[in-house]
Amino acid sequence: DQQVKQNSPSLSVQEGRISILNCDYTNSMFDYFLWYKKYPAEGPTFLISISSIKDKNEDGRFTVFLNKSAKHLSLHIVPSQPGDSAVYFCAAGGGSYIPTFGRGTSLIVHP
Amino acid sequence: KAGVTQTPRYLIKTRGQQVTLSCSPISGHRSVSWYQQTPGQGLQFLFEYFSETQRNKGNFPGRFSGRQFSNSRSEMNVSTLELGDSALYLCASSLRTGTDSPLHFGNGTRLTVT
Repeated sequence: DQQVKQNSPSLSVQEGRISILNCDYTNSMFDYFLWYKKYPAEGPTFLISISSIKDKNEDGRFTVFLNKSAKHLSLHIVPSQPGDSAVYFCAAGGGSYIPTFGRGTSLIVHP
Repeated sequence: KAGVTQTPRYLIKTRGQQVTLSCSPISGHRSVSWYQQTPGQGLQFLFEYFSETQRNKGNFPGRFSGRQFSNSRSEMNVSTLELGDSALYLCASSLRTGTDSPLHFGNGTRLTVT
């Protein structure tokens, strides 16, 4: 049973617009969440994280929002750039839990 | 600072054989984790080592094993290979255990079992 779900396998966005990637989790004990970005033929790289004591964390063009009651988080990229085209993985964990990853969302940003 | 290095990058093996994959973490990182990535399955956790001790193990059969050396380098072994073991195997290191210590991944070893 998937504890971390990324229900959109792919997302297509125009350059300059906002990209919104979504992630849902089922384990209410998770208290730390991360986003990773993966280019083809490379390993994932850490992008941004958020602790459950916050509901928003921002780093440049990237913002992660956390809705604990809905067990939902989202990654916003504004403005989107062609170089953002990659697979984005959501991960959740905390405490004694090892990071559990979603299956990823492939983002394509069109020029 | 050098990143996480995984060797080899590509490997082709036959069913029933065994394979050993190697991972050199970022200098100073004592935690090493291994993940399996297959199409449509995301990243499945295999195991985590910290200071030569296995701290966590994922839901994989006993054919999958690993170890960590005193210099934090890690190896992963798969015995009696099956076709379903074909995947990208990713190693990641971090300063310490815990989800709040972000993982730094290598570029992976692509294993093909024929």
